[in-house]
Amino acid sequence: ETGVTQSPTHLIKTRGQQVTLRCSSQSGHNTVSWYQQALGQGPQFIFQYYREEENGRGNFPPRFSGLQFPNYSSELNVNALELDDSALYLCASSSSRGNTEAFFGQGTRLTVV
Amino acid sequence: GEDVEQSLFLSVREGDSSVINCTYTDSSSTYLYWYKQEPGAGLQLLTYIFSNMDMKQDQRLTVLLNKKDKHLSLRIADTQTGDSAIYFCAERHPNNNDMRFGAGTRLTVKP
Repeated sequence: ETGVTQSPTHLIKTRGQQVTLRCSSQSGHNTVSWYQQALGQGPQFIFQYYREEENGRGNFPPRFSGLQFPNYSSELNVNALELDDSALYLCASSSSRGNTEAFFGQGTRLTVV
Repeated sequence: GEDVEQSLFLSVREGDSSVINCTYTDSSSTYLYWYKQEPGAGLQLLTYIFSNMDMKQDQRLTVLLNKKDKHLSLRIADTQTGDSAIYFCAERHPNNNDMRFGAGTRLTVKP
C-alpha cells in the first residue's frame, strides 16, 4: 500500500463526454503527477501539480486539465473524450517537485465507447 | 534513440536469476528507476539508483548502471513465481519533473 488512492477504479464514458478522475496523495506529499498508460505501453507523463500550481506538462492537448487542492489532492479532467483516451490513468505523489521517490496509486481504468 | 527501450518478454525457471535490461535516452538523467506492475494494479517502486553510482543492491535486487552506454539492468536473484509481472524502467531528467518510462518487460516465472 502506497497511501495514494484514486477514484473511481473503473469508468465507462461515451465519446464526446467529459470525465473527472480523483487522486488523494500520500500524507505529507505536496506534489502529484498524472500519467496515462495505454494498453501494452509504459506510462506517459500528462502533468504535475506542486502546491496547487501546474509544474510541468507532457505532450497532451489542452482538453486534459487538472487541479490541485489545498489538501494536495488532485483532479484530472478530460473534455471531449476520444476513443484513444481509453487507458489506465495513474497518479503519483511525492514529497517535493524533484523528489527521488514517487509512489503510484492503483489507477483508474477509463473506457471510452 | 528517443525512447526508453526494453525487451518485451523474459521467461525464467523458478530459482534462477532474472536479468532485465533497459537503454535510456538522456545521459544527464539524474535518477533511474525500476517499477513493478502486477495485473490490474498500479506501479510499485522497487528500487532506484542515482546516476553517479554504478551498482545498488537491495536484498534480491541488484541494479547495474553503465552511464557511458546509457544502459540499466535489474537482476532478480532466486526468482519466484510471485515475481511474475511487468517491469518498467524509467529515467528522470534533472530539469524536468516527469519520469520517462519504457514499454515494460513481461517477466514470466515457470515452476
